[in-house]
Amino acid sequence: DQQVKQNSPSLSVQEGRISILNCDYTNSMFDYFLWYKKYPAEGPTFLISISSIKDKNEDGRFTVFLNKSAKHLSLHIVPSQPGDSAVYFCAALRSQGNLIFGKGTKLSVKP
Amino acid sequence: KAGVTQTPRYLIKTRGQQVTLSCSPISGHRSVSWYQQTPGQGLQFLFEYFSETQRNKGNFPGRFSGRQFSNSRSEMNVSTLELGDSALYLCASSSAGYQETQYFGPGTRLLVL
Repeated sequence: DQQVKQNSPSLSVQEGRISILNCDYTNSMFDYFLWYKKYPAEGPTFLISISSIKDKNEDGRFTVFLNKSAKHLSLHIVPSQPGDSAVYFCAALRSQGNLIFGKGTKLSVKP
Repeated sequence: KAGVTQTPRYLIKTRGQQVTLSCSPISGHRSVSWYQQTPGQGLQFLFEYFSETQRNKGNFPGRFSGRQFSNSRSEMNVSTLELGDSALYLCASSSAGYQETQYFGPGTRLLVL
């Protein structure tokens, strides 16, 4: 039973345009959400997080939106750059729990 | 601050052997979590240690075990290796406060032949 789902295994975007990565979750007990970026043969790198008491968090080119009623979050990257090409993982956390990861979306940003 | 370090980075073992992986967390971090990443299953939680005690455990068989030392360094052991244990094993540390971000090491790539 997948509690965190990333339904798009891959996404291709032109450099300079917006990348939108989506994530859905099923467990309403999750109260903290994170996005990680992963390059091959490296560990995931933390990008941005959001608490369930907020609906938006912004850090430079990265913005995460949370829609609790829809149990949906999204990561927007504007403008996209070729160096953003990587696998992006959505993760969710509940109090006293462990991180639950989605299966990732591979983003390709084309020059 | 130095990041999370994991040793060894690569390992080749044969079925039936056992293996021990090591993780040194970021200085000051007291929580260490272990994850297994495979192409089919993504990142799956193994267990978390805090103050030398296992605080959380995922759905893995008893062949997978771990421990944490007083300096917060952690080891993970897999006994009686199976082919399906081939994976990238990732360690992550956090300060273990509420809603604290976990920071990952580079991982240990284990190949079981």
